[in-house]
Amino acid sequence: DAKTTQPPSMDCAEGRAANLPCNHSTISGNEYVYWYRQIHSQGPQYIIHGLKNNETNEMASLIITEDRKSSTLILPHATLRDTAVYYCIVNRDSNYQLIWGAGTKLIIKP
Amino acid sequence: DGGITQSPKYLFRKEGQNVTLSCEQNLNHDAMYWYRQDPGQGLRLIYYSQIVNDFQKGDIAEGYSVSREKKESFPLTVTSAQKNPTAFYLCASSPRFGQSQPQHFGDGTRLSIL
Repeated sequence: DAKTTQPPSMDCAEGRAANLPCNHSTISGNEYVYWYRQIHSQGPQYIIHGLKNNETNEMASLIITEDRKSSTLILPHATLRDTAVYYCIVNRDSNYQLIWGAGTKLIIKP
Repeated sequence: DGGITQSPKYLFRKEGQNVTLSCEQNLNHDAMYWYRQDPGQGLRLIYYSQIVNDFQKGDIAEGYSVSREKKESFPLTVTSAQKNPTAFYLCASSPRFGQSQPQHFGDGTRLSIL
């Protein structure tokens, strides 16, 4: 199973762009990269996902390197409400299931 | 509003007792999932269902059982065989089962042992 590596924690100033890195060097050609976030004691919230191309939606942008071994989630203008644990996940090729790590705790500071 | 409803929010279990966690969705999604989350860790898959009347074991199915008799409902029973049931349980659904299908989550049930 492809595994992801994320820094355990990061800080970002309010109003700045938050860039969250993720390493997935063993990802296979048809495994997607997903990003979710979880605010304490709530269910995870889907943010964005992609296969090869960069993706953007109303919440964030996902930049995937050409070799697909790493990606970056960008929150363009971070607010205090963006403080959460962010999970970078690949889905298992055999049964499409998501493989969750421990994530990155992002703290947005005023 | 469409979404996933889990109940109860908090649940207490006595030793040797089975308990059932409810999960209902009105999103008309085919696929549903149950996860367990322990403190400071990511989610682990217990069971999943691709379609009504079908379900498969996930990575940690021992001590748990599920049913999928209706499209909108996917209850999870934590049996007395599950020796360490204290955890945060999360239910999710996706439009279909497959690679590019984001999962949408409920707000979870926190289970504790009395």
